[in-house]
Amino acid sequence: LAKTTQPISMDSYEGQEVNITCSHNNIATNDYITWYQQFPSQGPRFIIQGYKTKVTNEVASLFIPADRKSSTLSLPRVSLSDTAVYYCLVGDIDYGQNFVFGPGTRLSVLP
Amino acid sequence: KAGVTQTPRYLIKTRGQQVTLSCSPISGHRSVSWYQQTPGQGLQFLFEYFSETQRNKGNFPGRFSGRQFSNSRSEMNVSTLELGDSALYLCASSYGTSGAFFGPGTRLTVL
Repeated sequence: LAKTTQPISMDSYEGQEVNITCSHNNIATNDYITWYQQFPSQGPRFIIQGYKTKVTNEVASLFIPADRKSSTLSLPRVSLSDTAVYYCLVGDIDYGQNFVFGPGTRLSVLP
Repeated sequence: KAGVTQTPRYLIKTRGQQVTLSCSPISGHRSVSWYQQTPGQGLQFLFEYFSETQRNKGNFPGRFSGRQFSNSRSEMNVSTLELGDSALYLCASSYGTSGAFFGPGTRLTVL
């Protein structure tokens, strides 16, 4: 399973765009990149998943360069309620969801 | 569609006892994964079931076991509870290459 590295913490202000970058140098050909958000004492919430290039949904965008050794989660116009821990995960989801969670990035959104 | 449900939400047991936790996946999802979350170790993968078969397994002792039924509902069992088993136990379900959707978790306290 590919190991991921992401910043331990980030601060931002309401209304700003936040970009969280994750490194996964040993990503395998069949691996997908998935991001989750977690609030205290709750289960992680799926944000976005991608394989290459750019993926966008109603809450976020995921940018993946051609070499796939990193990815960037972009949260547009964050609000106080986006304060949470964000996890970047890499795995071959065709063989099941058996992700290795790192410590994640603790995002603090300030007023 | 109803989300992933887990029962019970909270549980208090004493050392040496055993416990069974239940997870009902999202309708149509055939893969169910279990994770343990503690402040010290973070989120750790326990095992994953697909079509009643354990497909992946994390690095946990044999006291941790699980099963999946024909309707995709899953249970996990922990025997001979230890203080260190106190944690939030999370279940996630997925379908194909979609992201995994987590339940609210079961908070287990071992006294």
